Amino acid sequence: EDKVVQSPLSLVVHEGDTVTLNCSYEVTNFRSLLWYKQEKKAPTFLFMLTSSGIEKKSGRLSSILDKKELFSILNITATQTGDSAVYLCAVASGTYKYIFGTGTRLKVLA
Amino acid sequence: EAQVTQNPRYLITVTGKKLTVTCSQNMNHEYMSWYRQDPGLGLRQIYYSMNVEVTDKGDVPEGYKVSRKEKRNFPLILESPSPNQTSLYFCASSYRGINQPQHFGDGTRLSIL
Repeated sequence: EDKVVQSPLSLVVHEGDTVTLNCSYEVTNFRSLLWYKQEKKAPTFLFMLTSSGIEKKSGRLSSILDKKELFSILNITATQTGDSAVYLCAVASGTYKYIFGTGTRLKVLA
Repeated sequence: EAQVTQNPRYLITVTGKKLTVTCSQNMNHEYMSWYRQDPGLGLRQIYYSMNVEVTDKGDVPEGYKVSRKEKRNFPLILESPSPNQTSLYFCASSYRGINQPQHFGDGTRLSIL
């Protein structure tokens, strides 16, 4: 059975801290791994990763994929209160299906 | 503005009363999908569509139907809703299926009494 597991389930940090969110997966016919940020409403896209070892960066956020060990990490440096959200990891399989993890709830305190 | 529009945004109804949640996108996307989001279970895919007249089941299709007669619309139909279908529903679309980021609608909160 395909599955995506995210850890930790929740995290509370102070502004300026660096956080690392984890996503491990077991999916048949892996195609890509995507990270989304969900605040109050719709998830919004952050990164898509298809190749091992290539880091994607956007400002203070970065992500990398390890296809051998079947995991990805999302790093956020110098956290701000606006980073408070649920971060979702999703894996796309070859059958056009998406499997999501349950998410990591991040709270950044001022 | 590029968007995915769901209606209604909120609905409270009773067991057994057929309902339809509409989803429309204005980006000429081929791939569309429905998800439900429940506490502790994350987003789970209900149905998806690779193009007009092409649909397939996701992980939790029981109790739902979909149709894709036009590229822009992908309605979700609950023929006989039950309380276990109370959830937050999201519609999403992408240009092609896999290896493309999905754009999500703002969600529909359904309560089945």
